[in-house]
Amino acid sequence: QKEVEQNSGPLSVPEGAIASLNCTYSDRGSQSFFWYRQYSGKSPELIMFIYSNGDKEDGRFTAQLNKASQYVSLLIRDSQPSDSATYLCAVGAGGNEKLTFGTGTRLTIIP
Amino acid sequence: GAGVSQSPRYKVAKRGQDVALRCDPISGHVSLFWYQQALGQGPEFLTYFQNEAQLDKSGLPSDRFFAERPEGSVSTLKIQRTQQEDSAVYLCASSFGSGGYTFGSGTRLTVV
Repeated sequence: QKEVEQNSGPLSVPEGAIASLNCTYSDRGSQSFFWYRQYSGKSPELIMFIYSNGDKEDGRFTAQLNKASQYVSLLIRDSQPSDSATYLCAVGAGGNEKLTFGTGTRLTIIP
Repeated sequence: GAGVSQSPRYKVAKRGQDVALRCDPISGHVSLFWYQQALGQGPEFLTYFQNEAQLDKSGLPSDRFFAERPEGSVSTLKIQRTQQEDSAVYLCASSFGSGGYTFGSGTRLTVV
């Protein structure tokens, strides 16, 4: 069992709709949770991080964390074609340490 | 610099050749990480430095892989006697504190 699991997709969402990306993790001691966006042929780019249970909003992005269920999600509101990319979930033990990444979910926004 | 700089951008090596990949982190970032990303996969941790100290090298796949950061700034990842399975994108990232880190553009290594 991989430590960080994501549905590889592809996930297709109409432009303007809400895209919902999900991630589960196996280590109950995990403390830090990150979402990275990776365009094809480019390096990952940090878009959100969350440490506490609940929701964290930043513009069109909302990260949700449920430590009891070992589940973290990313919602993208008003999806745009430029949001089409692979979204990587990453989990850390806390502090400034190594991250364990999922394999990523490929998201396509359909105009 | 303004971002994490990696060189070369692309490297083709013949099997058995040694390669050296360079990472220049964001100025002032004390933490530096190396990751390996195979096609269609997420990045896999290789090693971590805090300043010049290599605090974790548990992800290095074999003793052919070696990393250093002698002055706490630029880092070099060296792969000896490259094998085809070493073909991947090697990503360097740096961080000042918590809150995630910034990746460089990566070095795409192809072993032929």
